[in-house]
Amino acid sequence: AQTVTQSQPEMSVQEAETVTLSCTYDTSESDYYLFWYKQPPSRQMILVIRQEAYKQQNATENRFSVNFQKAAKSFSLKISDSQLGDAAMYFCAYNQDYNQGGKLIFGQGTELSVKP
Amino acid sequence: NAGVTQTPKFQVLKTGQSMTLQCAQDMNHEYMSWYRQDPGMGLRLIHYSVGAGITDQGEVPNGYNVSRSTTEDFPLRLLSAAPSQTSVYFCASSYSPSGSGEQFFGPGTRLTVL
Repeated sequence: AQTVTQSQPEMSVQEAETVTLSCTYDTSESDYYLFWYKQPPSRQMILVIRQEAYKQQNATENRFSVNFQKAAKSFSLKISDSQLGDAAMYFCAYNQDYNQGGKLIFGQGTELSVKP
Repeated sequence: NAGVTQTPKFQVLKTGQSMTLQCAQDMNHEYMSWYRQDPGMGLRLIHYSVGAGITDQGEVPNGYNVSRSTTEDFPLRLLSAAPSQTSVYFCASSYSPSGSGEQFFGPGTRLTVL
């Protein structure tokens, strides 16, 4: 069975510092997609970044970047220059079906707090 | 564009009652999904649909029914509510025919079953 594991229930970072959230997954597929979603206290789910498994280059979106290690099945999220607005629950997710949208498996989440 | 809308926002049910959680999207997305979010467990897929008239089960389908008669709407029915169904429910939609597509989530429905 495909699984996604986030081993850090809580993380804390000082404003303007860098923090890395960990995610590992298990799959026998070779082609798939990975995502990081942010859930602020409003409960709204917001896509932060996505990675295609066949691309060796790590995805980057402004202050957010990933370290994708396909052989190790690891997909960590790095947040640079942390801001107060980054405080939220972060979920790592894996798409079960390479050819079809809408079927995500989520990790347990990491709650990030940002200290001023 | 309203995006993905869900009603109601909050609901309290008694054990054994039935109800329907409504979900609608105005983005003409083919793919729609229902997830439940429980503390410490992330989101889990209940049911999903790849288009009008086509639905399939996710990880945790027991106790829930879905149907999709139009592209816009994807209601989730609880047949006989149980306390184990106390959760926050999210509906999501996606446009992409591949797994790369971003899912757009509704604001969620917080359901409590007494």
